Amino acid sequence: GAVVSQHPSRVICKSGTSVKIECRSLDFQATTMFWYRQFPKQSLMLMATSNEGSKATYEQGVEKDKFLINHASLTLSTLTVTSAHPEDSSFYICSARRQGNSPDSPLHFGNGTRLTVT
Amino acid sequence: GENVEQHPSTLSVQEGDSAVIKCTYSDSASNYFPWYKQELGKGPQLIIDIRSNVGEKKDQRIAVTLNKTAKHFSLHITETQPEDSAVYFCAVGGTGGSYIPTFGRGTSLIVHP
Repeated sequence: GAVVSQHPSRVICKSGTSVKIECRSLDFQATTMFWYRQFPKQSLMLMATSNEGSKATYEQGVEKDKFLINHASLTLSTLTVTSAHPEDSSFYICSARRQGNSPDSPLHFGNGTRLTVT
Repeated sequence: GENVEQHPSTLSVQEGDSAVIKCTYSDSASNYFPWYKQELGKGPQLIIDIRSNVGEKKDQRIAVTLNKTAKHFSLHITETQPEDSAVYFCAVGGTGGSYIPTFGRGTSLIVHP
């Protein structure tokens, strides 16, 4: 159990366009989902915390108007990279924690989305 | 906030050898310590975790040990196999009201056949 599906796995887009990435918890409900960005050979950088039915909480330095997060249901969160630029090219990963779970419980990760902006 | 240090950054072993990765943390109130394995091009997957009321936990070839006094915990992999090659991340969480784990910088484990 605890499967998180992320789509698409890879996307190539032109500079100036927008890209939407979906994150779904397939067999559990998730009140909270997390979006990470990962540069090559580096650790996970938390971008924002997505809360079902409310606004996302962004980490310092992350532009909320550029990285739009929507968590419309207990099983789906989306990240939209707006007006993408080559420097937005990266590996984006979502994760989720089961609804009602305490802080000492694991995060379940999707398989990531490789975004390339040309 | 929490500060997590992970060592080594790279670990190269021969198949069949053991591998040990260590993490230290700063907040003595932390009580949840998971380890994740990330294969190339994929998301991290939980492989084992430990909570502060336990000193050691084992799952087949993988074990995690925790020393709360010294504020460090380690991942032990015995009888390593080539498929163990991946990046391993430790994380620390469960601190007070914090529900977002802090990750280490990762260890690239290479198991040579």
